[in-house]
Amino acid sequence: EDQVTQSPEALRLQEGESSSLNCSYTVSGLRGLFWYRQDPGKGPEFLFTLYSAGEEKEKERLKATLTKKESFLHITAPKPEDSATYLCAVLNQAGTALIFGKGTTLSVSS
Amino acid sequence: DVKVTQSSRYLVKRTGEKVFLECVQDMDHENMFWYRQDPGLGLRLIYFSYDVKMKEKGDIPEGYSVSREKKERFSLILESASTNQTSMYLCASSGQSNTEAFFGQGTRLTVV
Repeated sequence: EDQVTQSPEALRLQEGESSSLNCSYTVSGLRGLFWYRQDPGKGPEFLFTLYSAGEEKEKERLKATLTKKESFLHITAPKPEDSATYLCAVLNQAGTALIFGKGTTLSVSS
Repeated sequence: DVKVTQSSRYLVKRTGEKVFLECVQDMDHENMFWYRQDPGLGLRLIYFSYDVKMKEKGDIPEGYSVSREKKERFSLILESASTNQTSMYLCASSGQSNTEAFFGQGTRLTVV
């Protein structure tokens, strides 16, 4: 069964305190792994797509990496405006729809 | 800019009512999706469509139906709303190769 597990469920950081979020997945033949950011009461906002092990993508303080079984979202020197829920998703085996993890809620305090 | 627009941000409906949630995308995307999001359960796929007049059941289609008469528009229908359908509903679209999906702002539906 295609499955995505994110950890931790919640993470509290001080401003400037770097950390990583984890996304592990089980799907045969990965067709794409996606990271989204979601602010309260809003729809998810696309961040990155990764397709193959070893691939990395960066955007401002965020860097996403991919191995054969998991992905990490590294947050370097976070700011309060990085507070959000971060969602990880993979394309299902049929390649027809995204399967989401339950997300990691990040809180960054100043 | 990519845009997926859902017709309502907030809706309050009574049990037993027929409810229509509308979604429009302006990216000429082939694929459109309806998810619901609940605390502790994450996003769950209700229905999706890969072409006009085509639809496929997702993981939780019971109590819902969909309509896609035009490429840009995908409607979710609650035939007889129930309180357990109180949720955040999210529409998304993606291109033919199913690269990144773009989401609307969500509709918070409350059934009383």
